[in-house]
Parts: sequence; structure tokens; C-alpha cells
Amino acid sequence: GAGVSQTPSNKVTEKGKYVELRCDPISGHTALYWYRQSLGQGPEFLIYFQGTGAADDSGLPNDRFFAVRPEGSVSTLKIQRTERGDSAVYLCASSLSTGGFYNEQFFGPGTRLTVL
Amino acid sequence: AQSVTQPDIHITVSEGASLELRCNYSYGATPYLFWYVQSPGQGLQLLLKYFSGDTLVQGIKGFEAEFKRSQSSFNLRKPSVHWSDAAEYFCAVGRANFGNEKLTFGTGTRLTIIP
Repeated sequence: GAGVSQTPSNKVTEKGKYVELRCDPISGHTALYWYRQSLGQGPEFLIYFQGTGAADDSGLPNDRFFAVRPEGSVSTLKIQRTERGDSAVYLCASSLSTGGFYNEQFFGPGTRLTVL
Repeated sequence: AQSVTQPDIHITVSEGASLELRCNYSYGATPYLFWYVQSPGQGLQLLLKYFSGDTLVQGIKGFEAEFKRSQSSFNLRKPSVHWSDAAEYFCAVGRANFGNEKLTFGTGTRLTIIP
């Protein structure tokens, strides 16, 4: 079946602009995660959705970053007033939710954001 | 808060040689531990995971890892590497018994295979 998809695969923008990154999770996965991977680093957690609500947004670096998941499926990560330091690969992952158990996170290929 | 250290940034091994990638974690309680592989242009793929029980876990592609609580380590091993194993490898930790939640990743080890 289809995996996690992310669009666009590459995004180049200018400093100060607004960008939106989209994530399409695996069908039936109610949990959705965003991570950011800077060059030479491991993925760093940003936000986790359970259904439509953000269960944990402790990784969002500041109020320029915002994410939504209005219908509990597709999610959009929004970055306002982009800065050069926001350049990174933004990864999305999704998983099932089964009670209190941990479920494997399946990752998408990422969106490479470059802020000039 | 949990953290992960992968002390080796880059490792080069010959095809057919054995491999061990190191991972040390810091977490005050029982961890969930993972190894992921990332190939260029590909998403992260789970190789194996440790939740509880047998401390030697088997994964895909012939990889295994051993959880050593006394050393806070979860090293990844493979007896004989193939050229296709060249990739970036990430160790990650999660909190046990908290259900779905975030993973904390190490900085990764890049594996190069030479003929």
C-alpha cells in the first residue's frame, strides 16, 4: 500500500516568506509526527498529532512554526517569516494508535526546505 | 529528558567484513530503543527495535542489536556487510509505557562500504 507522502519534495524560498509543507499519512493512521533534520544531524521532534489535536507540540522552536490537521488525516506544517536557520529536511511520520501501546512510526521521504 | 549518543560520525568497512555501530542512551527509566536506516532520497526505515524481554534483537537485512542496561548501550551489528548497506544509521530512544509519542534520535553514523 501507499506509504507516507510529503509535498513538495523540495522548496526554495526567500528569507521572510511564508511556506506550507504537506504530509499525507498512511490511510488509517491516526497518529502523525513532524520532525526536522538539519544537515549532519538526526531528526528532531517538532509536533505529534493524535487525530485532529496536537498531543505534544513541545518541539516547535518558536511561534513562527505552526501545524494543523483539521480532518485527522492530512497535516500541514506552516512556517512564517522564514529564516535561513529554518533550512532543513522536514520529515513526517505516521502510526497506528492502539490503546496505550507504542506503534511503529513510518516515515515519509521528507521535504527539503532551503531558505535563501 | 532522554538523549542518544552515536560516537562514530563515519565508519568505513570492507564488503564482507563485520560491522558494529555504537549507540549509548541516557534515560532514567525503561527505554524503548530503535535503529533506523536512511538511504539517500529515502525515508527512514526501521531496522529493529527493543521493547522488553530478550536483550538480543534481530531485525531486517541481517542486522541485530544487543541491549545492555548496565552500559546504557544498544549497539547494532551485522556479521557480513553488503555494498547495499551503505547508508546513514540512526539510533533512537522512546519512553517505555507511554504509548505513542516522540522519538529522540542520535546524530547518526554514516557507513561507507569499500570493495
